[in-house]
Amino acid sequence: EAQVTQNPRYLITVTGKKLTVTCSQNMNHEYMSWYRQDPGLGLRQIYYSMNVEVTDKGDVPEGYKVSRKEKRNFPLILESPSPNQTSLYFCASRPRQGSFTEAFFGQGTRLTVV
Amino acid sequence: KQEVTQIPAALSVPEGENLVLNCSFTDSAIYNLQWFRQDPGKGLTSLLLIQSSQREQTSGRLNASLDKSSGRSTLYIAASQPGDSATYLCAVYLEDMRFGAGTRLTVKP
Repeated sequence: EAQVTQNPRYLITVTGKKLTVTCSQNMNHEYMSWYRQDPGLGLRQIYYSMNVEVTDKGDVPEGYKVSRKEKRNFPLILESPSPNQTSLYFCASRPRQGSFTEAFFGQGTRLTVV
Repeated sequence: KQEVTQIPAALSVPEGENLVLNCSFTDSAIYNLQWFRQDPGKGLTSLLLIQSSQREQTSGRLNASLDKSSGRSTLYIAASQPGDSATYLCAVYLEDMRFGAGTRLTVKP
């Protein structure tokens, strides 16, 4: 089954404690991206990757890092989380940037930073 | 920079009513437009995907239209039911995806 898998689904952590949210897709997609969703703001792009070893900033990259060492995985790293990073996070993949085919989304990760 | 706007932000209707949700975007050079449903605190469920060459898509009681030249899309829900209560998001595909803030729909029994 084609899918994007995020882990964990729920996470509560303390300010400053490094964490990683994993994202994996099984569709051999080149393009992957991370979004955060906050009330009234819709989904905003954090980072994206057009292929292995190619990443770039989205609209709200501050406080986040990503890596793309393998095509299937695109982890989101918060080196020093702060309360303003409390949000619902989604990972997505598409065959390639600019593709006409639809994107696939993970189930989301609810992060709370206290 | 592409801006996506959804109006209204919230909508409450009685069961059985037909309704229209609106999505507008500023740059007409899109590849696709997609409508999603999101239940509170949950993930995104894809409803309809309209490619840029298409004018509309239908699935059951849902019909989505796309007018690229005017930068507008509508999602029509026929004979609404309480189970349709959710937030509806539209997203436009360019080199990346841009989302509207959503319309929160409540269908009252």
